[in-house]
Amino acid sequence: LAKTTQPVSMDSYEGQEVNITCSHNNIATNDYITWYQQFPSQGPRFIIQGYKTKVTNEVASLFIPADRKSSTLSLPRVSLSDTAVYYCLVGEMDSNYQLIWGAGTKLIIKP
Amino acid sequence: GAVVSQHPSRVICKSGTSVKIECRSLDFQATTMFWYRQFPKQSLMLMATSNEGSKATYEQGVEKDKFLINHASLTLSTLTVTSAHPEDSSFYICSAREGPFQGNYEQYFGPGTRLTVT
Repeated sequence: LAKTTQPVSMDSYEGQEVNITCSHNNIATNDYITWYQQFPSQGPRFIIQGYKTKVTNEVASLFIPADRKSSTLSLPRVSLSDTAVYYCLVGEMDSNYQLIWGAGTKLIIKP
Repeated sequence: GAVVSQHPSRVICKSGTSVKIECRSLDFQATTMFWYRQFPKQSLMLMATSNEGSKATYEQGVEKDKFLINHASLTLSTLTVTSAHPEDSSFYICSAREGPFQGNYEQYFGPGTRLTVT
């Protein structure tokens, strides 16, 4: 399973766009990239998943360069409620797919 | 859709006793459920994977006789912490994957259970 590296923490301000980058140099051909959000004392919440190029949904965008050795989660116009820990996970999508969690990035949004 | 519940949300038990945590998929059938443990300010750690009707697969270092997992139905898995010790105090989270497996790999997470052993 590919190991991921993320910044330990980040600060930003309400209304700003926030980009969190994750490194996964050993990503395998069949691996997908998935991002989760976790608030204190709650279970993680799925944000977005992608394989290559760009994926966008109603809450975020995920940018993946051609070499797929990194990915960037982009949160547009953040609010205080986006303060949370964000996890980047990489794994092969098969019936035995397990989620192996790295340390995550603690994002703090300031007013 | 795809809601997973856990009960209880918080539990305090005395050292040496056992405590059972339930994980339910409310609006879908889950042939596979996962149990995680999370210590304060740390990431989630996978404890075991359970498939309905079969024995759970435990991760290395997780004592199967201490953490009993039962996945007797397509909507319910239970984790029983036996002979609890203070070091078992943690946040326990379950997740469920819809099945029979048809290519949907997404795991839906429960809200977690805070266990405190005194």
